[in-house]
Amino acid sequence: EAEVAQSPRYKITEKSQAVAFWCDPISGHATLYWYRQILGQGPELLVQFQDESVVDDSQLPKDRFSAERLKGVDSTLKIQPAELGDSAMYLCASSLRSSGGEQFFGPGTRLTVL
Amino acid sequence: SQQGEEDPQALSIQEGENATMNCSYKTSINNLQWYRQNSGRGLVHLILIRSNEREKHSGRLRVTLDTSKKSSSLLITASRAADTASYFCATDNQAGTALIFGKGTTLSVSS
Repeated sequence: EAEVAQSPRYKITEKSQAVAFWCDPISGHATLYWYRQILGQGPELLVQFQDESVVDDSQLPKDRFSAERLKGVDSTLKIQPAELGDSAMYLCASSLRSSGGEQFFGPGTRLTVL
Repeated sequence: SQQGEEDPQALSIQEGENATMNCSYKTSINNLQWYRQNSGRGLVHLILIRSNEREKHSGRLRVTLDTSKKSSSLLITASRAADTASYFCATDNQAGTALIFGKGTTLSVSS
């Protein structure tokens, strides 16, 4: 069964360091999402891609976060520099269409910033 | 900002009992979805109900939607220990392109 892949699963870093997360969506899914989930909360959208184009990055802290999906397949989310408040689960999801339908989530990357 | 709010925040029941979770939202929607998240894992889609539907079933799951009250409920019948997880409702955003999740209900089913 096709799955969304994410790596690494866990990342511990010190504040002011740079971190990067990778996501490989389900083959054929044109829409890719990055969410941040703080412990005890629901996921919140950071950025949405349609193929290689950014559809929505209104909630992405652009002074330190960046995301790309160069060939419209896999994607990288980067934080530089990391801050203590960035400790969270970072979830990647994909869907066939960008119409608010079912999304398929990866296992997530648990980031701890010390 | 989060559109949906689940109630209760936490629910503890015995195996075999039914579990009911509620979700309220603020603005009009095209559809509402429920997801499950096991501890420390990604989310799994459970069911989608469209705005013109009032009730939908999937196995032991029953979802209702009341657009006049802007609310939905998820019923899990004959719960099992494996149902222990967090459950989130999600609605489409204003553009209809992404999801807005609630804070979730944490369900604990003990044997």
